[in-house]
Amino acid sequence: AQSVSQHNHHVILSEAASLELGCNYSYGGTVNLFWYVQYPGQHLQLLLKYFSGDPLVKGIKGFEAEFIKSKFSFNLRKPSVQWSDTAEYFCAVNEEGKLIFGQGTELSVKP
Amino acid sequence: EPEVTQTPSHQVTQMGQEVILRCVPISNHLYFYWYRQILGQKVEFLVSFYNNEISEKSEIFDDQFSVERPDGSNFTLKIRSTKLEDSAMYFCASTYSGGEQYFGPGTRLTVT
Repeated sequence: AQSVSQHNHHVILSEAASLELGCNYSYGGTVNLFWYVQYPGQHLQLLLKYFSGDPLVKGIKGFEAEFIKSKFSFNLRKPSVQWSDTAEYFCAVNEEGKLIFGQGTELSVKP
Repeated sequence: EPEVTQTPSHQVTQMGQEVILRCVPISNHLYFYWYRQILGQKVEFLVSFYNNEISEKSEIFDDQFSVERPDGSNFTLKIRSTKLEDSAMYFCASTYSGGEQYFGPGTRLTVT
């Protein structure tokens, strides 16, 4: 079965800093990959997804992620974070319809 | 924009009691899911439901759990006899085609 690892449990950044959150999944083949965000007190929202095609995918709010098949990775990036990006971020892979989530990374952005 | 809704937002129950968590998926969606997140742990898949039957269930989803779509709009998760370790946030999700899943806001279940 698939597993997903997120390397950072808690990341603290100042506004305007660049962000990269790591995500690795356990085995290859055809994968559908997702990043979800959960703002405080809100539900999980989709940031971006990769199904096929261009490995660099752009999502909402200036986020992007790069699928690197050889590294089994799908890292999330944003060039300049804002205080409003404070949230928990979850990487997930679709395995036969169900989502397998990573542990989540809590991002705190200091104004 | 259509949303998945869940009720209640918070449920407190005593150990051994039955609880029913309710979800209203997006109306034209065909696939439905329950996930849970124990505090401090990852979001875990519980069960998927398609065409009025369970498609897949995890090891967590034992005989104490059941799901129903009683009326074509609601999708419920029942826990027959709650245990302390059932305390978690329970999320419902739905999708039209099995791709991107849309999540509800969750129900926080506290078992005392």
